[in-house]
Amino acid sequence: EAGVVQSPRYKIIEKKQPVAFWCNPISGHNTLYWYLQNLGQGPELLIRYENEEAVDDSQLPKDRFSAERLKGVDSTLKIQPAELGDSAVYLCASSLQGHGYEQYFGPGTRLTVT
Amino acid sequence: EDQVTQSPEALRLQEGESSSLNCSYTVSGLRGLFWYRQDPGKGPEFLFTLYSAGEEKEKERLKATLTKKESFLHITAPKPEDSATYLCAVQAPPGNQFYFGTGTSLTVIP
Repeated sequence: EAGVVQSPRYKIIEKKQPVAFWCNPISGHNTLYWYLQNLGQGPELLIRYENEEAVDDSQLPKDRFSAERLKGVDSTLKIQPAELGDSAVYLCASSLQGHGYEQYFGPGTRLTVT
Repeated sequence: EDQVTQSPEALRLQEGESSSLNCSYTVSGLRGLFWYRQDPGKGPEFLFTLYSAGEEKEKERLKATLTKKESFLHITAPKPEDSATYLCAVQAPPGNQFYFGTGTSLTVIP
């Protein structure tokens, strides 16, 4: 069974430019997460979806970040405009819906903003 | 206030030297405690889920245990391929949120 797929794996952009990340979760996983991970830190939740609904976006910087999961399957995370401090790894994860289920992570997208 | 604290931050072991990693948590109403392994340049890889105090899970050289306030990941006779960062996460109400620790970086020297 295919795991969580993310693209691109790496992205280098200049500050103030837009960037988008794509994630396809494991088939049958209704819950999808976007995390940000800085070097030496644990993942920090940006947004969680249950099907198409964003049920927790309290940590998403809404002035520049946006996300969508239109058909309840794959998802896109966008940053516009990017800032130097946005350089990090962006991880997507998915799980079955409900509590107590483990998350499965994709390989991440390493973003460098110059 | 940190919900999850992992210690030590880094650990160097000789091959075959057993040790334990600690994950302490302060959340109430634990829905699950999860251990992950993360290799450089990769996403976290799921290892174990523990749900209640007293529970134990094993996989090869790894054994995870859970009490009401902390979890331990015991590594028995580690090998160099066990070198990685080990992350702990807890899921708790409200909203079944996940809280991750900062990880323990394990290096096993041949």
